[in-house]
Amino acid sequence: NAGVTQTPKFQVLKTGQSMTLQCAQDMNHNSMYWYRQDPGMGLRLIYYSASEGTTDKGEVPNGYNVSRLNKREFSLRLESAAPSQTSVYFCASTGGDRGTDTQYFGPGTRLTVL
Amino acid sequence: AQSVTQPDIHITVSEGASLELRCNYSYGATPYLFWYVQSPGQGLQLLLKYFSGDTLVQGIKGFEAEFKRSQSSFNLRKPSVHWSDAAEYFCAAGKGYQKVTFGTGTKLQVIP
Repeated sequence: NAGVTQTPKFQVLKTGQSMTLQCAQDMNHNSMYWYRQDPGMGLRLIYYSASEGTTDKGEVPNGYNVSRLNKREFSLRLESAAPSQTSVYFCASTGGDRGTDTQYFGPGTRLTVL
Repeated sequence: AQSVTQPDIHITVSEGASLELRCNYSYGATPYLFWYVQSPGQGLQLLLKYFSGDTLVQGIKGFEAEFKRSQSSFNLRKPSVHWSDAAEYFCAAGKGYQKVTFGTGTKLQVIP
């Protein structure tokens, strides 16, 4: 039982390049989330998926797209990376989305855009 | 707009001493409330959560938090801190995980 896994752990991109961050969970959770964490700030929600086949915007969705490939996997894509997207990205999952379940986080992906 | 304030950026305590981390929220109605811990280079781990009922909430690793509606606060406490508690702590509030607002965090240093 690996919990929530993320790949890659580190990535350096040049401005304008694209990449996809992968996330998978093995807890049979319905809801999955993508956050970014910037220095001196708390986590901010980028996108979430309440169930397989659905996705919704969070607080800071601009410049990102997501895919809920199946119940296990939720990917985050940067189509044209910008320096403002330099951040640490966390994926998380819960059984539900109301806040009564425990939320589990992956170890994060540290992304630098030059 | 919803907001969560953690007024202490850094706190230093001696090992074995008690700990209280402060959290205040601004929200239209009583939100769900959460405390998370983040060790260096790691993801967040949920310590405890409050959504209704008893205002004193017990969590993992010996932590507890008390919800005070009159003060819009949800402070985290531990009676005796261990060196392994050194980490960053985040308070969060919202109605459901997709609507959660996080505070900016408090870094805890534990000295021997």
